[in-house]
Amino acid sequence: GENVEQHPSTLSVQEGDSAVIKCTYSDSASNYFPWYKQELGKRPQLIIDIRSNVGEKKDQRIAVTLNKTAKHFSLHITETQPEDSAVYFCAATGNNRLAFGKGNQVVVIP
Amino acid sequence: SQTIHQWPATLVQPVGSPLSLECTVEGTSNPNLYWYRQAAGRGLQLLFYSVGIGQISSEVPQNLSASRPQDRQFILSSKKLLLSDSGFYLCALEAGGPTGELFFGEGSRLTVL
Repeated sequence: GENVEQHPSTLSVQEGDSAVIKCTYSDSASNYFPWYKQELGKRPQLIIDIRSNVGEKKDQRIAVTLNKTAKHFSLHITETQPEDSAVYFCAATGNNRLAFGKGNQVVVIP
Repeated sequence: SQTIHQWPATLVQPVGSPLSLECTVEGTSNPNLYWYRQAAGRGLQLLFYSVGIGQISSEVPQNLSASRPQDRQFILSSKKLLLSDSGFYLCALEAGGPTGELFFGEGSRLTVL
């Protein structure tokens, strides 16, 4: 089945700097790649997603890039703010279901 | 718009007691529904998914079970809880058919003592 890995497991950034989280996946047939943000004690919420027919998608301060050849995709957060502190999960389709990575803890230091 | 409700929000149960967590959805018909568990500080573990009434697929063998008695109702149960069953249980609704976006419920936090 699909195997999704996230790096790094924890990332600390200074407020205003950029944060980048990378995910790799194993199933070359995967075609849907969402990113979820989970604040402490809350449910995961979709923040951005990308399908395999595009290489990049942007929504205000967040963007996702996809490299299907290398089988990796990344989340980019620019001008980080304290409210960006959360756990971020990437996922990829596998066997018609989403396979999640283990999550990245992002800490934005004021 | 689609909404997803879970209850109870929190519960504390003794080891060996039964469990029933309920999830109901609105604003959609014949959705794919999922139960995930999240242990403290860990990722999302898929427990069960259902593509329709009475259709349940189990991802991980354990002492939990799931049922889907109605199109918009998904129930997670256990006859005898273990300490390791503690965690944050999330019901999710899949929008737009297979491999679409997942909407999560607000979760049920279970502590087994």
